[in-house]
Amino acid sequence: EPEVTQTPSHQVTQMGQEVILRCVPISNHLYFYWYRQILGQKVEFLVSFYNNEISEKSEIFDDQFSVERPDGSNFTLKIRSTKLEDSAMYFCASRASQGLFFGSGTQLSVL
Amino acid sequence: SQQGEEDPQALSIQEGENATMNCSYKTSINNLQWYRQNSGRGLVHLILIRSNEREKHSGRLRVTLDTSKKSSSLLITASRAADTASYFCATDPMDTGRRALTFGSGTRLQVQP
Repeated sequence: EPEVTQTPSHQVTQMGQEVILRCVPISNHLYFYWYRQILGQKVEFLVSFYNNEISEKSEIFDDQFSVERPDGSNFTLKIRSTKLEDSAMYFCASRASQGLFFGSGTQLSVL
Repeated sequence: SQQGEEDPQALSIQEGENATMNCSYKTSINNLQWYRQNSGRGLVHLILIRSNEREKHSGRLRVTLDTSKKSSSLLITASRAADTASYFCATDPMDTGRRALTFGSGTRLQVQP
């Protein structure tokens, strides 16, 4: 069964460093998303991506964040200068008619 | 106000019992979806119910939707210890310019063996 894969599963970084979270969505899906979940809290929408551009973003997705689909298969989320409050589980998802398919997430810890 | 709020926040039942979780939302929707999340893992899509549907079944899952009350319920029948997880509702808004789902806070279900 096709699945969304995310790497790495865990990422530890120092405050102020750049991180890139990687995702390979399901190949025939057209919409891609990043969500995040701070421990014990809601799943929060960050950004959606369609036709090689951002289609929607939340207030969380500020200038420190960017997304890219560099090669037609990978879908990346970059955080330029991480803050302590960026520590969360980051989920990539791609969309089918019957709902979103989520990856297993990248646990980002900012020290 | 938040879109997609589940209640109860936590539910503990015995194996074999039924578990009912409720979700309320604020805006008009195209559909409503339920997801499951095991601790520390990703979300798994369980079921989607469209705005013109009132009830849907999938195995031991039964979902209802009442658009007049802007509410949905998820029923898990004959629960098993393996059903222990957090369950989230997510709404797909009617506004066609917005394609992102909005998730609720979730119900933590504990099924005691």
